[in-house]
Amino acid sequence: NAGVTQTPKFQVLKTGQSMTLQCAQDMNHEYMSWYRQDPGMGLRLIHYSVGAGITDQGEVPNGYNVSRSTTEDFPLRLLSAAPSQTSVYFCASSLHTGPYGYTFGSGTRLTVV
Amino acid sequence: GQQLNQSPQSMFIQEGEDVSMNCTSSSIFNTWLWYKQDPGEGPVLLIALYKAGELTSNGRLTAQFGITRKDSFLNISASIPSDVGIYFCAGQNRSGSRLTFGEGTQLTVNP
Repeated sequence: NAGVTQTPKFQVLKTGQSMTLQCAQDMNHEYMSWYRQDPGMGLRLIHYSVGAGITDQGEVPNGYNVSRSTTEDFPLRLLSAAPSQTSVYFCASSLHTGPYGYTFGSGTRLTVV
Repeated sequence: GQQLNQSPQSMFIQEGEDVSMNCTSSSIFNTWLWYKQDPGEGPVLLIALYKAGELTSNGRLTAQFGITRKDSFLNISASIPSDVGIYFCAGQNRSGSRLTFGEGTQLTVNP
């Protein structure tokens, strides 16, 4: 049971490049989310999903796309990277009921130059 | 959108001291969660609160869900060096699909 796995751990992009941050969970969780963490701002919700085929926008969705074709995977796509997207990105998952909260991955540190 | 105000932003304490931090919100949440984040890692769940007025303990940690459903506090008793890290409160909506986080409290414990 690996929990929530994020890849890559580190990435440097040039402005305008695109890339996909991968997130996979093996706990059969229905809910999955992407957050970005910037200094002094806590974690802000980018996109979330309540099940395969269902996604919705969070607080800061601009510049990011998501899809959820399977229960296990929830990739985050940066369409055209900008320096303002330099951040640490966390994926999280949860059962839709029960006292378990969300389980977080270890993060992807992205730098856009 | 919803906002959580977490205080204090940082704390510097001596080992053995007790610590208290709190979160307030302009909106009601159905669940309050407290997470701890170590450097280079994702947040780890410490305590979850599900009912207004609920007081829950986990070892040296105690947290309460405010009666108004708009606030929560976390206490750490007899702090130790491994308590160092960033503590976040989070409010969860009714369906459980979204978390809203506070800005975090950076805790430093001096041996």
